[in-house]
Amino acid sequence: GAVVSQHPSWVICKSGTSVKIECRSLDFQATTMFWYRQFPKQSLMLMATSNEGSKATYEQGVEKDKFLINHASLTLSTLTVTSAHPEDSSFYICSAGRLLNTEAFFGQGTRLTVV
Amino acid sequence: GESVGLHLPTLSVQEGDNSIINCAYSNSASDYFIWYKQESGKGPQFIIDIRSNMDKRQGQRVTVLLNKTVKHLSLQIAATQPGDSAVYFCAENMRGYNKLIFGAGTRLAVHP
Repeated sequence: GAVVSQHPSWVICKSGTSVKIECRSLDFQATTMFWYRQFPKQSLMLMATSNEGSKATYEQGVEKDKFLINHASLTLSTLTVTSAHPEDSSFYICSAGRLLNTEAFFGQGTRLTVV
Repeated sequence: GESVGLHLPTLSVQEGDNSIINCAYSNSASDYFIWYKQESGKGPQFIIDIRSNMDKRQGQRVTVLLNKTVKHLSLQIAATQPGDSAVYFCAENMRGYNKLIFGAGTRLAVHP
């Protein structure tokens, strides 16, 4: 199957700083990538849909100025959490798809802890 | 069971028994469904999918059933093994929208 790689797998940062998370599709071109956030014992909540070469589409309630998404190429999307607060601590997961209505491939997730 | 607050419903089964995990999806326009398995600290892992023009699909030890009338999806795992212990999520893709929406999840605990 297709491989999606996330980096870093975990990160600790201080309040007020920014953190960038990368999502790469290693063996296929992903025109669309998705960013999810997952709090402990909860489901994955879609934050935004990232399309290569265009602006991301954010879900309701997700601050686009706080969670900056860049999808500069067909194999890389980045999520930057700006001015991080402790409540931003969560598990962030990306996924990538090749075509509409096919399986989405997930990265291994990034555990963000803001102290 | 119902998902209440922060606690995932848990299904406890004996090793070797069959497991049935249920999911109610939200949108009648959804036309593609996937079951994922998530182990602690990892991303979701694809198990099996089904399109809305089908009501049953079988894989290796797993079967997915789709009832569009009541918007219900189930995952059956045959001869459940300790390695099946994880949280299971159903996800739906709405027709015309290229995104997956996840259900609440069920924790499967397999006891020897």
